Amino acid sequence: EDKVVQSPLSLVVHEGDTVTLNCSYEVTNFRSLLWYKQEKKAPTFLFMLTSSGIEKKSGRLSSILDKKELFSILNITATQTGDSAVYLCAVVPSNTGKLIFGQGTTLQVKP
Amino acid sequence: SAVISQKPSRDICQRGTSLTIQCQVDSQVTMMFWYRQQPGQSLTLIATANQGSEATYESGFVIDKFPISRPNLTFSTLTVSNMSPEDSSIYLCSVGPIGNEQFFGPGTRLTVL
Repeated sequence: EDKVVQSPLSLVVHEGDTVTLNCSYEVTNFRSLLWYKQEKKAPTFLFMLTSSGIEKKSGRLSSILDKKELFSILNITATQTGDSAVYLCAVVPSNTGKLIFGQGTTLQVKP
Repeated sequence: SAVISQKPSRDICQRGTSLTIQCQVDSQVTMMFWYRQQPGQSLTLIATANQGSEATYESGFVIDKFPISRPNLTFSTLTVSNMSPEDSSIYLCSVGPIGNEQFFGPGTRLTVL
């Protein structure tokens, strides 16, 4: 059965800290891995990763995929209170287009 | 990209009633999905809405409880039937992939009393 596991489940840091969120997966016919940020209802897209070893970067956020070890990490540097959210990792198997989500990591950034 | 709207954005319903949620996309899309997010949980795929044919349901979800319509490539509805408090969730429609992204609608927050 396809599975996505995120760790830690929750994290509390102070502004300026750097955090690393983890996502491991087991999926048949892997196509891509996506990271989302969810603050209220709708998840907001962050990154899509399809190739190993290529870092995707957007401002203070970056992510990389290891297809051999079946995991991805999301890094956030110089965290701000506005980074407080649930971060979701999802995997897309084959060409289905459907997403299999991990449990999410709840990040709280304190002033 | 795709802009997705959902109606209603939230509702409070009585046990035993049904609610239909609408999802409208601003462009034609092949793949459209419905997800549920129960309180404190992650997103779970309910079904893939297929245009012109019956939806494809994931394990644990059935058509009688969650009937779905997809009359064209820009619109879909999800009905939550015979609701119970356990159906209280956020329901989200999603489309994609479009380019390198999968897009979500703003969600419908349902509370069943």
